[in-house]
Amino acid sequence: DAGVIQSPRHEVTEMGQEVTLRCKLISGHNSLFWYRQTMMRGLELLIYFNNNVPIDDSGMPEDRFSAKMPNASFSTLKIQPSEPRDSAVYFCASSLGQGPTEAFFGQGTRLTVV
Amino acid sequence: GENVEQHPSTLSVQEGDSAVIKCTYSDSASNYFPWYKQELGKRPQLIIDIRSNVGEKKDQRIAVTLNKTAKHFSLHITETQPEDSAVYFCAASKKGGGATNKLIFGTGTLLAVQP
Repeated sequence: DAGVIQSPRHEVTEMGQEVTLRCKLISGHNSLFWYRQTMMRGLELLIYFNNNVPIDDSGMPEDRFSAKMPNASFSTLKIQPSEPRDSAVYFCASSLGQGPTEAFFGQGTRLTVV
Repeated sequence: GENVEQHPSTLSVQEGDSAVIKCTYSDSASNYFPWYKQELGKRPQLIIDIRSNVGEKKDQRIAVTLNKTAKHFSLHITETQPEDSAVYFCAASKKGGGATNKLIFGTGTLLAVQP
């Protein structure tokens, strides 16, 4: 298995544009987490899914952020409209959620909003 | 909700010395405590974890201790090497909704091992 795959690796966009980040889970995993990493706030949990269902989205900063899992192996995180303060590295991670267990991270997407 | 605090934020040691990073958590229901290492520009990767029914766990040069009563846990790295230089994150997890686990991270410790 190639692990958790994120795309794109880098994204530069202008303020106000829509941004879509993509994540492919490890085959067989059923939990999916989106994190945002900045120097100031560290690794923040934005939302997590179990069996394609959003369980907790309390970390999503604003209505401009939305996440979906259209199927068991794929997820998107969308920011519309984007703002400069959204600039960060966004990670998704997956795990086999039968109990406390390791979360496997993707390589991350570095987002820059200018 | 869970809150995880981590200290120190930066740590510089000489090669061969030991390094200790400490974390506290707020939710007594948390039962899983992993540690992740993140090298510059790379993804966080699990290096060791401990569950609430164990007080200590060791894997070669790294060890983790857990004090459930005080709600704190620590990472110990012995005989540090330059390749140990990275950011280390502690995390706490408990069973969340939907039979999954909400993993909350500390703010990270930048460890620099001086040759």
